[in-house]
Amino acid sequence: GEEVAQTPKHLVRGEGQKAKLYCAPIKGHSYVFWYQQVLKNEFKFLISFQNENVFDETGMPKERFSAKCLPNSPCSLEIQATKLEDSAVYFCASSQFDTGFSTGTNSYEQYFGPGTRLTVT
Amino acid sequence: GQNIDQPTEMTATEGAIVQINCTYQTSGFNGLFWYQQHAGEAPTFLSYNVLDGLEEKGRFSSFLSRSKGYSYLLLKELQMKDSASYLCAVPRIGGKLIFGQGTELSVKP
Repeated sequence: GEEVAQTPKHLVRGEGQKAKLYCAPIKGHSYVFWYQQVLKNEFKFLISFQNENVFDETGMPKERFSAKCLPNSPCSLEIQATKLEDSAVYFCASSQFDTGFSTGTNSYEQYFGPGTRLTVT
Repeated sequence: GQNIDQPTEMTATEGAIVQINCTYQTSGFNGLFWYQQHAGEAPTFLSYNVLDGLEEKGRFSSFLSRSKGYSYLLLKELQMKDSASYLCAVPRIGGKLIFGQGTELSVKP
């Protein structure tokens, strides 16, 4: 599609429950990024994929967070045993390029999905 | 490492001009993005600067000085709908974006 799609829009979980979020990137985009926005404006990078391969997972809290991008399926971000501090909006973004060089004006441009608001109670 | 700073809040009047500054310190530089984010919505792309100078796009312009580690977003003829958060972000190798804390702009009548 022409837009990044994320589901669900809202998700409420009790502390300790599992949460799973989905993202469908723009068709033709090879790179998928997950970000967490805890407070109003603080974006934290979590993980990125190049097609189905993990590209950069330096932002992932590995003990409870996992993510996948499988062929012909939406990408997913899963949180096992959610904690109160996991309450945030999770944004997925996709882009065409990852290169270290600018190949055009918008070579790094990332298109963001509408986000999933996770509330842990 | 990287450090990106922008003012937390700004207020301006409808029809006026406002300049939102962003300073950055990064190891390596691959350009700088400005995004707009309305409350409860996804960030939307405004501009990308990789070379020094001013790039104009309608009412919005973005400036970059690589030697000073400085950028600004200039919004002209402000409209009420311009009330939003404005995010400065730098891409790292691999494409991940490192964001500033965002500037909340309130446009008053």
